[in-house]
Amino acid sequence: DQQVKQNSPSLSVQEGRISILNCDYTNSMFDYFLWYKKYPAEGPTFLISISSIKDKNEDGRFTVFLNKSAKHLSLHIVPSQPGDSAVYFCAFSGGYQKVTFGTGTKLQVIP
Amino acid sequence: KAGVTQTPRYLIKTRGQQVTLSCSPISGHRSVSWYQQTPGQGLQFLFEYFSETQRNKGNFPGRFSGRQFSNSRSEMNVSTLELGDSALYLCASRRSGEETEAFFGQGTRLTVV
Repeated sequence: DQQVKQNSPSLSVQEGRISILNCDYTNSMFDYFLWYKKYPAEGPTFLISISSIKDKNEDGRFTVFLNKSAKHLSLHIVPSQPGDSAVYFCAFSGGYQKVTFGTGTKLQVIP
Repeated sequence: KAGVTQTPRYLIKTRGQQVTLSCSPISGHRSVSWYQQTPGQGLQFLFEYFSETQRNKGNFPGRFSGRQFSNSRSEMNVSTLELGDSALYLCASRRSGEETEAFFGQGTRLTVV
């Protein structure tokens, strides 16, 4: 069962513009939502998270939005930079439960 | 502080063989989770160990097994390898497992021929 879906396998964005990555989930028991970034030949690294009691969290150029009624999570990167080119995974957690990852979206920021 | 260490980084095995992968978590972390990454499938959860006990398990066949030692190091074993087991295997450590943020190793790239 695919509880987490990232429907866009890839995304290309011009440098300086906004990158929007999306994630849909089905399990309403998740209470923490995370984004990870992964470069080739490296493990994923934590980027930003949001708890289920919030609808927005910002950290510099990165903002995560949570729409619980739509079961939708998004990551905005503004402005996008070439160094942001990577695979982005959304992930969901329920405390001691396993962290469930999406299939990933490959972001390419074009200089 | 050292990060999560996975060995070996690369491995080539033949169908039918078995393989053991190793993961040393960050010092002080007691939770180790294993994931399989394949193209188009994202990171699929295999299992999580905490204080030498398997606490969570994903939907993988019994050929996939693991264990954790008293020093929190973990091993993952895959028996009777199949071509479809070719993947990047990642382990992630958390201090207690209650935290949301996990720290990943660089992974072991397993190729089954």
